[in-house]
Amino acid sequence: KAGVTQTPRYLIKTRGQQVTLSCSPISGHRSVSWYQQTPGQGLQFLFEYFSETQRNKGNFPGRFSGRQFSNSRSEMNVSTLELGDSALYLCASSLAGSDTQYFGPGTRLTVL
Amino acid sequence: EDQVTQSPEALRLQEGESSSLNCSYTVSGLRGLFWYRQDPGKGPEFLFTLYSAGEEKEKERLKATLTKKESFLHITAPKPEDSATYLCAVQGTSGTYKYIFGTGTRLKVLA
Repeated sequence: KAGVTQTPRYLIKTRGQQVTLSCSPISGHRSVSWYQQTPGQGLQFLFEYFSETQRNKGNFPGRFSGRQFSNSRSEMNVSTLELGDSALYLCASSLAGSDTQYFGPGTRLTVL
Repeated sequence: EDQVTQSPEALRLQEGESSSLNCSYTVSGLRGLFWYRQDPGKGPEFLFTLYSAGEEKEKERLKATLTKKESFLHITAPKPEDSATYLCAVQGTSGTYKYIFGTGTRLKVLA
């Protein structure tokens, strides 16, 4: 069974631009969560989607948004990029009714 | 406020030298506690899920245990390939977040 896939794996953007990251969950998984990982803050929860609806949202500004499609694939968008948005963005999926999440390899975003 | 604290931050062991990593948590209601392993530049790899105090799970050289306030990841006779960052996460019953992660323990096993 294929794992969680994320595209692109690496991105370089400049301040003020926007970016869209994509996540394809494990087949059959309907819950998708996004996390930001930085050396200083560790892994921080961004948001969770289930059946195209946002279930939870972490403490991030409104520049961070996401959505989920009917096939459970998810995208997150960051607008007006700041230097501090440089991080590894991780997507995780889980089966409905299960609390265990499986992570993808992440997208490394660098903001210059 | 729910939170997770892991100790030590870093640990160096000789091959075969057993040790334990600690994960202390404060959560209004525990729904689950999770252990992951993360190699540099990669996503976290799932290891264990624990749900209730007294529960134990084992996988090869790793054993995870859970009490009402903390979890331990015991590493028996580690090998260099066990070198990684070990992350602990909790999910509470508040429903306002998915996981809260600790900052991890960086383990280095020397041959």
